[in-house]
Amino acid sequence: GDSVTQMEGPVTLSEEAFLTINCTYTATGYPSLFWYVQYPGEGLQLLLKATKADDKGSNKGFEATYRKETTSFHLEKGSVQVSDSAVYFCALSSYGGATNKLIFGTGTLLAVQP
Amino acid sequence: DAGVTQSPTHLIKTRGQQVTLRCSPISGHKSVSWYQQVLGQGPQFIFQYYEKEERGRGNFPDRFSARQFPNYSSELNVNALLLGDSALYLCASSSSRGSSEKLFFGSGTQLSVL
Repeated sequence: GDSVTQMEGPVTLSEEAFLTINCTYTATGYPSLFWYVQYPGEGLQLLLKATKADDKGSNKGFEATYRKETTSFHLEKGSVQVSDSAVYFCALSSYGGATNKLIFGTGTLLAVQP
Repeated sequence: DAGVTQSPTHLIKTRGQQVTLRCSPISGHKSVSWYQQVLGQGPQFIFQYYEKEERGRGNFPDRFSARQFPNYSSELNVNALLLGDSALYLCASSSSRGSSEKLFFGSGTQLSVL
């Protein structure tokens, strides 16, 4: 079945460091790919998405490119801030499905130190 | 506009009891989904309802049931609670049921089963 694998955390960085969180997926067809972020005590928020191969999603300085050949959707940010500290989830939604069911990875905790 | 609202925020039950969780979607959203998030893991899909009909069901036992009302609010019921049902239950709404649709999540109901 469809699945998402993302790097385990926690990831601890200093402010202004470069961030990469790896995400790979297994799916039939052409899924839509998402990154959601969960701040402490809050629900998940969509950070960015890509719906087809080679699409780049971007938001708030974060970027991820849908790579079909490597089945990956790695999250990057050039310069992290303390306010970026949160749990980041990679997720997919199967193409052509009758639902918008999301399959999530296990999440990666990011801690940014001043 | 109000976001997705869930009630209660916290709940403590004992094994064997039954629980009902409630969700109000964003105004105008006709799709409601339920997810279970166990500590340290990604959310797991339980149900999706669209236009008051069940559109998807995850790999959960029949003790879990849900329904959607004419105003698109939803309830999740869990019978015969087990210790393993302790988790954060998230509700998400969207304007349609398409696979690339953005989901808006509530802050969740934290259920503890003793």
